[in-house]
Amino acid sequence: AQSVTQPDIHITVSEGASLELRCNYSYGATPYLFWYVQSPGQGLQLLLKYFSGDTLVQGIKGFEAEFKRSQSSFNLRKPSVHWSDAAEYFCAVGPRSGNTGKLIFGQGTTLQVKP
Amino acid sequence: DVKVTQSSRYLVKRTGEKVFLECVQDMDHENMFWYRQDPGLGLRLIYFSYDVKMKEKGDIPEGYSVSREKKERFSLILESASTNQTSMYLCASTTGGNTGELFFGEGSRLTVL
Repeated sequence: AQSVTQPDIHITVSEGASLELRCNYSYGATPYLFWYVQSPGQGLQLLLKYFSGDTLVQGIKGFEAEFKRSQSSFNLRKPSVHWSDAAEYFCAVGPRSGNTGKLIFGQGTTLQVKP
Repeated sequence: DVKVTQSSRYLVKRTGEKVFLECVQDMDHENMFWYRQDPGLGLRLIYFSYDVKMKEKGDIPEGYSVSREKKERFSLILESASTNQTSMYLCASTTGGNTGELFFGEGSRLTVL
């Protein structure tokens, strides 16, 4: 079955500390990979995406993610967290052909930032 | 910028009522989606549409229907609302190209009493 797992439901980090959010997926073939962020009371905004090529992708707001095919993982990182990064983060995967946009989402990770 | 607008941010309805959630996008996207978001469950796909008057069931279509009479508008309908449909509903759209990137509205939080 196709699925996305975000093992950490809730993470707390101090402002200025580094961050890594984990994402593992189960899919028939290498999918397109996405990270979205949702601020309180808002819709989802795309942080970054991986389609092909360099397995380390850069996104907005200083985030990056690394695709590791052997581990079926797509972990999100940021070197120094800012208080405004407090939000919920979703990893998602989608097909490379056919039903474009039909994404499968993980359960989400809520990030809390301590001053 | 792509804009996806959900007309109702907050709704409170009673069990058995018929509920309409409206979504409009302004970028001429072919594909539109309705997701339901619940704590600990992430986003689950209810219905999607690849063209006007076309619709396909997602993973949790039971209790819902949709309507797409115009390209820019995709409506989610709860024929007879139940308390277990209390949730956040997110509309999204994307082009017909094979990128898969979704653009989301701000969500409609529905409470069914």
